[in-house]
Amino acid sequence: QQQVKQSPQSLIVQKGGISIINCAYENTAFDYFPWYQQFPGKGPALLIAIRPDVSEKKEGRFTISFNKSAKQFSLHIMDSQPGDSATYFCAARDNYGQNFVFGPGTRLSVLP
Amino acid sequence: DARVTQTPRHKVTEMGQEVTMRCQPILGHNTVFWYRQTMMQGLELLAYFRNRAPLDDSGMPKDRFSAEMPDATLATLKIQPSEPRDSAVYFCASGAPGGETQYFGPGTRLLVL
Repeated sequence: QQQVKQSPQSLIVQKGGISIINCAYENTAFDYFPWYQQFPGKGPALLIAIRPDVSEKKEGRFTISFNKSAKQFSLHIMDSQPGDSATYFCAARDNYGQNFVFGPGTRLSVLP
Repeated sequence: DARVTQTPRHKVTEMGQEVTMRCQPILGHNTVFWYRQTMMQGLELLAYFRNRAPLDDSGMPKDRFSAEMPDATLATLKIQPSEPRDSAVYFCASGAPGGETQYFGPGTRLLVL
């Protein structure tokens, strides 16, 4: 129940296209859902995050869509750029323990 | 700018040796997390601390791993004895009081031969 599922495992998109990564969870105690971006040889860095009381959050080219009833959330990257090529992790925070559970990651490659 | 620092950045050791990884959280942050990242398992939470007290270390193999915060500016993760299956990148992350963002360090890449 602490698991966060993430798909696809890898994604190849043409420059200018839309990248979509999906995550799903079971634990209703999760109360905060961040997305992290990781470049090779670096630590993950927060990209964007959402709380379950809103259905969408947009920051520049990055949008999180959140479906509380379905327990699913997704990251959309509009106008994808080669510089967006990285591994993306969705995560969820447990409201009780305050610890985080990460999805397995999606390796995104944006072709020039 | 404020960053989480980790030392060493790379460590190669032989099976059975003790390994100590260190983390300096961002000044003023009161939560510290230790993660292990492998290709097979992804990011696994090993332990986390708030105000230097361990809150959860259920993800850590207790027989060989130990995590401590001797003071607010230093967190340590020890493996004794190390095994080849411990080879991974170990990340430390810190968070501000009341904050939700985790700030990750650059990681320690450990190879146990």
